[in-house]
Amino acid sequence: DVQLVESGGGLVQPGGSLRLSCVASGFTFSRYDMHWVRQVTGEGLEWVSNIGTAGDTYYLGSLKGRFTISRENAKHSLYLQMNSLRVEDTAVYYCARKSCSRTSCVFDIWGQGTMVTVSS
Amino acid sequence: QSVLTQPPSASGTPGQRVTISCSGSSSNIGSDIVNWYQQLPGTAPRLLIYSNDQRPSGVPDRISGSKSGSSASLAISGLQSEDEAYYYCAAWDDGLVRDVFGTGTRVTVL
Repeated sequence: DVQLVESGGGLVQPGGSLRLSCVASGFTFSRYDMHWVRQVTGEGLEWVSNIGTAGDTYYLGSLKGRFTISRENAKHSLYLQMNSLRVEDTAVYYCARKSCSRTSCVFDIWGQGTMVTVSS
Repeated sequence: QSVLTQPPSASGTPGQRVTISCSGSSSNIGSDIVNWYQQLPGTAPRLLIYSNDQRPSGVPDRISGSKSGSSASLAISGLQSEDEAYYYCAAWDDGLVRDVFGTGTRVTVL
């Protein structure tokens, strides 16, 4: 089965750090751009960051400098290092695979999500 | 914060047709394809419609998508209780240079 499984969420104080992980299975991980998307409870989806197959990285502007995305293809793993966390970073964080054809790209596989709570 | 606007809610009785709109601009829907995602309560989003009107395998043909100009629509015919969920449109935004999602629409089956 094609699957993404996140881990690493939890409760952290403002200013603290967390490292999220996402392990892929059932497909050739190295061939896909991988993304993190978050969702504040009761709200919509917000793209956070992505890493391309060549290791190129992109971030939501407001997060740049605090979050770092990385990947380890040999371990079929995606990571999100989150530093200087703020209360407003509290959300469920999903990893998602982006698949592209000649004409379109879609987030076709999503993990189950991991909850990050930033609170004192 | 979302750049794509959807109505917050839509509802219908079993068997009815429900339509959800998604309004964007020339920098996103107006220049790129639209995808739709369904999120059942307590679960992750799943791809429902891609490339404006294409259904992945496993999605019934009573669900359809369309796009015109800078707007898109999702239609659910023959509404069923299993359709109760949140629905999100999504597109690439050339100005923001990132993927953007709609505000989300909650569909309720009365």
